[in-house]
Amino acid sequence: AQTVTQSQPEMSVQEAETVTLSCTYDTSENNYYLFWYKQPPSRQMILVIRQEAYKQQNATENRFSVNFQKAAKSFSLKISDSQLGDTAMYFCAFRGGATNKLIFGTGTLLAVQP
Amino acid sequence: KAGVTQTPRYLIKTRGQQVTLSCSPISGHRSVSWYQQTPGQGLQFLFEYFSETQRNKGNFPGRFSGRQFSNSRSEMNVSTLELGDSALYLCASSLRGGPSSYEQYFGPGTRLTVT
Repeated sequence: AQTVTQSQPEMSVQEAETVTLSCTYDTSENNYYLFWYKQPPSRQMILVIRQEAYKQQNATENRFSVNFQKAAKSFSLKISDSQLGDTAMYFCAFRGGATNKLIFGTGTLLAVQP
Repeated sequence: KAGVTQTPRYLIKTRGQQVTLSCSPISGHRSVSWYQQTPGQGLQFLFEYFSETQRNKGNFPGRFSGRQFSNSRSEMNVSTLELGDSALYLCASSLRGGPSSYEQYFGPGTRLTVT
């Protein structure tokens, strides 16, 4: 069975600084996808970034980038130039096999301090 | 293009009652998945529908059921409500189901409170 682990329940960062959120996963699948979702206080789940396992190049989306280490089964999210609007719960998610099912980690609550 | 919509947004029910939640996917999306989010259990997959067929089901009792209509709109039903069913229920749609790279887009959720 696939599992996703986020070992940092809470993190804090100063505005304009960089922060990295950790995520590890376990799977026997070869073809899978990894995602980071953001859930602000409004509770709307927003896709931040995705990574296809077959791609070696790390995904980037503006200030958000990932460090995908397939052999180590690690998928961390780096947020550069943190902004107050980045304050949210961040979930790492896995999707693999013959299913559209997302398996989520327990989340990391990120607070950006002014 | 309009996003995923869920109705109602908030719901209060009594133990033993049943409830039906509705989800309208993004236009053109044919896959709809449902998730339950609680403080204790986190985000858990309920089921996925594609082309009116349930493709996958999570580890929930039979009191939780769903269906999908020909226009891809989906409903989920919970019968004989228990206090533990209080949760945020999230619906997500994607262009296709199965092993694809298509992202899932989430709706705002329905907050269900069982008293």
